[in-house]
Amino acid sequence: DTAVSQTPKYLVTQMGNDKSIKCEQNLGHDTMYWYKQDSKKFLKIMFSYNNKELIINETVPNRFSPKSPDKAHLNLHINSLELGDSAVYFCASSPPGFTQDSPLHFGNGTRLTVT
Amino acid sequence: AQSVSQHNHHVILSEAASLELGCNYSYGGTVNLFWYVQYPGQHLQLLLKYFSGDPLVKGIKGFEAEFIKSKFSFNLRKPSVQWSDTAEYFCAVNAPLGNTPLVFGKGTRLSVIA
Repeated sequence: DTAVSQTPKYLVTQMGNDKSIKCEQNLGHDTMYWYKQDSKKFLKIMFSYNNKELIINETVPNRFSPKSPDKAHLNLHINSLELGDSAVYFCASSPPGFTQDSPLHFGNGTRLTVT
Repeated sequence: AQSVSQHNHHVILSEAASLELGCNYSYGGTVNLFWYVQYPGQHLQLLLKYFSGDPLVKGIKGFEAEFIKSKFSFNLRKPSVQWSDTAEYFCAVNAPLGNTPLVFGKGTRLSVIA
């Protein structure tokens, strides 16, 4: 069973469109994250939710809106897509503060291409 | 806030060569330290982690890392690399207190040639 699953795996869309990426984890973790990996492989935290509550919101445009309907799900909605949004988006989960037995677990990533 | 520096952007080694990838972090308090690996087209997987105790940490696939607190370093090593080790390697750090996210370095691409 996949621990952290994201859909879709690939997303190709045009500028100006609105799209969503879904993430689900079955690890029972309280904390979920969205990371963005740009073309140079740089990974940067975007958002973090703990038990459905937003706890970290890095400097991300307002066009990006995370939504957590329950602690096992963290979806990412992006409005008015721009070329610079093209990247791989990784969802991840962990227990609060991490533990030795269960550090950060990543999903397989969603490659977003904006044309 | 924590930050992580990985000094080598791209490392090219022949098979059986020894590997050492540098990682330095900046944070004055207690930290958790990690190395993740990303094989081509795949997600990040944990190689090894340091939380406390023995500063020499053994990970999967023959990798190890040494935490040197005085140097704020957590370098990754492997005595003999294989072609299958070709991947992107990320060092990461977080503070154990509170819900601090994992902060990643910019990654080091390792290319192992036959």
